[in-house]
Amino acid sequence: GQNIDQPTEMTATEGAIVQINCTYQTSGFNGLFWYQQHAGEAPTFLSYNVLDGLEEKGRFSSFLSRSKGYSYLLLKELQMKDSASYLCAASDSNYQLIWGAGTKLIIKP
Amino acid sequence: IAGITQAPTSQILAAGRRMTLRCTQDMRHNAMYWYRQDLGLGLRLIHYSNTAGTTGKGEVPDGYSVSRANTDDFPLTLASAVPSQTSVYFCASSESTGGTDTQYFGPGTRLTVL
Repeated sequence: GQNIDQPTEMTATEGAIVQINCTYQTSGFNGLFWYQQHAGEAPTFLSYNVLDGLEEKGRFSSFLSRSKGYSYLLLKELQMKDSASYLCAASDSNYQLIWGAGTKLIIKP
Repeated sequence: IAGITQAPTSQILAAGRRMTLRCTQDMRHNAMYWYRQDLGLGLRLIHYSNTAGTTGKGEVPDGYSVSRANTDDFPLTLASAVPSQTSVYFCASSESTGGTDTQYFGPGTRLTVL
């Protein structure tokens, strides 16, 4: 079957760094997305990785290892506004997205 | 530019009633999607459309139907609502079939079926 695993909840301190992990098992693979979703709002796109390695975009970076079926989202210099859920989604052989349940990130002052 | 709009924002519905959730995008995207989001579960695809005039079934299509008469609109209909359809429904669109394209989401419709 197809499956995405990510931690349910994480807590971090303002100004610190946090890494949110995601493992995936899909029939075929066409890339890995990360989305941010604030409570009561729609998901918004953060990053897309299809090749192995790290992609940096400001305070946010995303890493992919296709051989390990593993990705992580790295958030640096955490701000209170980063409190949100972070959704991992893998594109399968049919180009449909398989979504994880999301990781709720709580930032404490 | 509005992006994607959904209506209504929220609705309380009696079981057995028919309901249509509306979705309109102004980005001229070819692909559109309907998802439901339930606590503790990931977004689950209900139906999708790769282009106007075509639709397909997602992971959880039972009890739902869609149509795509034109590029902009993608309504989702619950023919006879049941309490298990209580959920938050998101419409999304992407430039082409979304496997490698960014999906843009509407604000969602919170539906309660009693």
